[in-house]
Amino acid sequence: QVQLVQSGAEVKKPGASVKVSCKASGYTFTSYDINWVRQATGQGLEWMGWMNPNSGNTGYAQKFQGRVTMTRNTSISTAYMELSSLRSEDTAVYYCARGRATGDAFDIWGQGTMVTVSS
Amino acid sequence: EIVLTQSPATLSLSPGERATLSCRASQSVSSYLAWYQQKPGQAPRLLIYDASNRATGIPARFSGSGSGTDFTLTISSLEPEDFAVYYCQQRSNWLSITFGQGTRLEIK
Repeated sequence: QVQLVQSGAEVKKPGASVKVSCKASGYTFTSYDINWVRQATGQGLEWMGWMNPNSGNTGYAQKFQGRVTMTRNTSISTAYMELSSLRSEDTAVYYCARGRATGDAFDIWGQGTMVTVSS
Repeated sequence: EIVLTQSPATLSLSPGERATLSCRASQSVSSYLAWYQQKPGQAPRLLIYDASNRATGIPARFSGSGSGTDFTLTISSLEPEDFAVYYCQQRSNWLSITFGQGTRLEIK
């Protein structure tokens, strides 16, 4: 079945970086954008950016420009999101989500990866 | 950045009742509006895309309407599994995607 499986929970210190992976299966990885969305505990959803797995092109929300990098390894159908200079406010569940063909909505979501930033 | 405002923040209804959730955009998003359902501890699930199209596998009791700045998600007759948080989301361009703050649908 079509699914996105993310890497496990992470605990990081302030100032460090975290890299979360998102492995796709059940469809052609290079045919659909991968987006990243995060959610702090008890809060709403916040879009971080997108990546085209075919070209590697990316687009980042202004808030995360300079701190986020989205990459992929097409040989293993896996997308990555790296966030640097972590602070406590980055503590959240991070989701990868597949964009529909028209790119306007997210039809398949990963299970989420909890990232905790604490000294 | 386009701001999406959802109302009400919390909606208390009983199974079998009709639910009407609203999402208002700070400027026109045409029909590029989606709705998601999220249950505790789970990832969001796409319900509606392009304002009024049901996603694959979504029951017919869910419907969406609207265009421009005002959108509505309607659940015609609530089932016990429908009580959750609902989010609207817009994509106005490739560098601007925003979500509403959510409406919590709770059992009365």
